[in-house]
Amino acid sequence: EAQVTQNPRYLITVTGKKLTVTCSQNMNHEYMSWYRQDPGLGLRQIYYSMNVEVTDKGDVPEGYKVSRKEKRNFPLILESPSPNQTSLYFCASSLGGEITGELFFGEGSRLTVL
Amino acid sequence: AQSVTQLDSHVSVSEGTPVLLRCNYSSSYSPSLFWYVQHPNKGLQLLLKYTSAATLVKGINGFEAEFKKSETSFHLTKPSAHMSDAAEYFCVVSDYGSGNTGKLIFGQGTTLQVKP
Repeated sequence: EAQVTQNPRYLITVTGKKLTVTCSQNMNHEYMSWYRQDPGLGLRQIYYSMNVEVTDKGDVPEGYKVSRKEKRNFPLILESPSPNQTSLYFCASSLGGEITGELFFGEGSRLTVL
Repeated sequence: AQSVTQLDSHVSVSEGTPVLLRCNYSSSYSPSLFWYVQHPNKGLQLLLKYTSAATLVKGINGFEAEFKKSETSFHLTKPSAHMSDAAEYFCVVSDYGSGNTGKLIFGQGTTLQVKP
């Protein structure tokens, strides 16, 4: 089954404790992206990757890091989480990138930073 | 710059009645427009897309949307709501055009409630 898998789905952590949210896709997509969803703000892009070893900032990259060492994986790293990073995070992948508008999303990771 | 506005944050309908979710866009170029649906505790799923072909676009689960350039609108409709349609819906515009790379801009979302 074609899917984008995120882990963990739910996480409560404390300020400053490094964490990683993993994302993996099995569709051989070159494009992957991370978004955060906050009430009333829709989805905002954090980082995206056009291909292996190619990453770029989205609209709200501050406080986040990513890496793309393999095509299928695109982890999101919070080096020192803060309460304003409490949010619902989505990973997405696409064969042709955002320009096609056809993104496949994971089920989301709800992060709470105390 | 491209932008998208969903005119209602919350819409409530009765099962079997029509659904109308409103979306207006702003674009300097001929836009590409999309609707995504997000069911509770699930990721977003593409419902339909408009990319300058037919102005009436049909999507999955009986939804359709009509591109109206004169009104800069791309409203989502369905003739008869089903309980399973209860979800959050996002209108999305692509900023593809001169100098732009096709970045997606998401609306704020409309929550559709379907009452039995």
